[in-house]
Amino acid sequence: DARVTQTPRHKVTEMGQEVTMRCQPILGHNTVFWYRQTMMQGLELLAYFRNRAPLDDSGMPKDRFSAEMPDATLATLKIQPSEPRDSAVYFCASGLVLLAGYEQYFGPGTRLTVT
Amino acid sequence: KNEVEQSPQNLTAQEGEFITINCSYSVGISALHWLQQHPGGGIVSLFMLSSGKKKHGRLIATINIQEKHSSLHITASHPRDSAVYICAVYMDSNYQLIWGAGTKLIIKP
Repeated sequence: DARVTQTPRHKVTEMGQEVTMRCQPILGHNTVFWYRQTMMQGLELLAYFRNRAPLDDSGMPKDRFSAEMPDATLATLKIQPSEPRDSAVYFCASGLVLLAGYEQYFGPGTRLTVT
Repeated sequence: KNEVEQSPQNLTAQEGEFITINCSYSVGISALHWLQQHPGGGIVSLFMLSSGKKKHGRLIATINIQEKHSSLHITASHPRDSAVYICAVYMDSNYQLIWGAGTKLIIKP
């Protein structure tokens, strides 16, 4: 049964360290999203890709965050250097673009704690 | 004013009650998405709809494009339905997804 996978599931790191989160979208899906969820802000869109090209990353702090899709089976989100305010759950979702929108399938999330 | 408004923010009901969660939006959309997030954090897509009504088990979603309003109904509610229900709309200009703040539902046995 196809699903989006994310690694790691949990990450605790110290302020200033680099964090890399990985996502494997569902095979055949052409759109990948990165979201961040905190208690205060709810779900925020950080970036999304279609056919591996970044379409929108306006939600992402550019000075420290970067998102890439080196190939169709892997999306990465990096934070360098990490800060305590980056502590959140980061979700990856993938979807297949249809005419009127697309179902998004969410991964289990990466819970990041920056101390 | 938020482009996507959900109501109520919080809802507590007894097992067996009929539940309605509302979503209103102010932008032109191509489709609307209802999702469920369980206390454990996982997010599951429930429905994507652009017109009319969809039903899956005890869940029913309706949308009125003219009134810019959608509802999610749960019949014969059960404690396992306790979760946050999130409405999100796809803007028809660029397919960007705009999220509502969610409705926290608690069903008591």
